[in-house]
Amino acid sequence: AQKVTQAQTEISVVEKEDVTLDCVYETRDTTYYLFWYKQPPSGELVFLIRRNSFDEQNEISGRYSWNFQKSTSSFNFTITASQVVDSAVYFCALSEAGAAGNKLTFGGGTRVLVKP
Amino acid sequence: GAVVSQHPSWVICKSGTSVKIECRSLDFQATTMFWYRQFPKQSLMLMATSNEGSKATYEQGVEKDKFLINHASLTLSTLTVTSAHPEDSSFYICSARDFSREIGLFFGEGSRLTVL
Repeated sequence: AQKVTQAQTEISVVEKEDVTLDCVYETRDTTYYLFWYKQPPSGELVFLIRRNSFDEQNEISGRYSWNFQKSTSSFNFTITASQVVDSAVYFCALSEAGAAGNKLTFGGGTRVLVKP
Repeated sequence: GAVVSQHPSWVICKSGTSVKIECRSLDFQATTMFWYRQFPKQSLMLMATSNEGSKATYEQGVEKDKFLINHASLTLSTLTVTSAHPEDSSFYICSARDFSREIGLFFGEGSRLTVL
């Protein structure tokens, strides 16, 4: 069975600080996808990134960066120079590959509070 | 803009009544849609996989007679919460896969159900 663990339930930082969100996953599949989503108070899920299991390159997108370490089954997410608008719940998720895929197993989520 | 739309975005109903939530793919055909439930301050849990033209596949522990899913067309799946009770109050969110797009998994805006 697949499992995603986000050990940090809540992180509070002051604006401009960096914040790293941890994500550890378990799967028996050799091919899978990892996702990060942002959920602001309004509730909708905002897609941030998808990474497939064969691509271990780290990625940077603006103030966001992701560190995929297959050896430790981790897919951590860093927000650099945090802003108040980054306050939200962030979910890491895992899906199997293939046509039947894309049903996601979500981690418990990490609530990020950025204080001005 | 949104490619998956849910309606209603929020609904309040009396205990014992049934509530229907719609999930539409706006510019693509979705043979498969997924329904998730999110209790306050918790993660998203997959309830069922909705398959166009066939029966939905429910996750373990989800009552199929209580949560009726109908996927009668390639652009519409409906979730009906029958005989709703206060414990059914939750945020329901659907997703759909557009296989023509590389990262083609889209979530609806979610529907917040409150049962009095």
